Amino acid sequence: EPEVTQTPSHQVTQMGQEVILRCVPISNHLYFYWYRQILGQKVEFLVSFYNNEISEKSEIFDDQFSVERPDGSNFTLKIRSTKLEDSAMYFCASNGAGQGPNSYYNEQFFGPGTRLTVL
Amino acid sequence: AQKVTQAQTEISVVEKEDVTLDCVYETRDTTYYLFWYKQPPSGELVFLIRRNSFDEQNEISGRYSWNFQKSTSSFNFTITASQVVDSAVYFCALSENWIYNQGGKLIFGQGTELSVKP
Repeated sequence: EPEVTQTPSHQVTQMGQEVILRCVPISNHLYFYWYRQILGQKVEFLVSFYNNEISEKSEIFDDQFSVERPDGSNFTLKIRSTKLEDSAMYFCASNGAGQGPNSYYNEQFFGPGTRLTVL
Repeated sequence: AQKVTQAQTEISVVEKEDVTLDCVYETRDTTYYLFWYKQPPSGELVFLIRRNSFDEQNEISGRYSWNFQKSTSSFNFTITASQVVDSAVYFCALSENWIYNQGGKLIFGQGTELSVKP
């Protein structure tokens, strides 16, 4: 069964450093998302991405964040200058809406997450 | 604005008890989707169910059942005969009318931590 993969599973970085979190969405999916979950809290939407551009972003997704689909398979989240409060689990998700009989069914498939620790 | 409330922060039951997790949502849209996800201690998000706003039929899947009531904006989740393996954090989520080019972000509730003791 196809699945969303994320690398690395755990990333430790120093405050102020840049990090890139990588995701490989399910092939032929067209919509991609990043969410984050601070330890012990709820899952929060960061950004959605379609047709090579951001379709929606939350207040959390400020200028320190960027997303990119550098090739046909990867979807990346970059944090330019990490802060302590960026420590969280980051989940990537993809959505196959627009294809197949349930083309408008919004089912997001989540990756296993990357735990980011900023020291 | 859309909002999901899971008022129960933690629930503790003894194995074989039935337990209901509450979820109340707010939305201005008439078309929306509701979801339940399970997050075991390992951290991944496991999809359990999706329900669209036009389908108010209750659903049963094994020991799991869901009660969707639009009149009270609730989408409650019941586990029958709970087991230790059910111990996890359960999240209810809402996606408003899916708009082409936006893809329908998920809005999650705060989660309910279920602890099932042997």
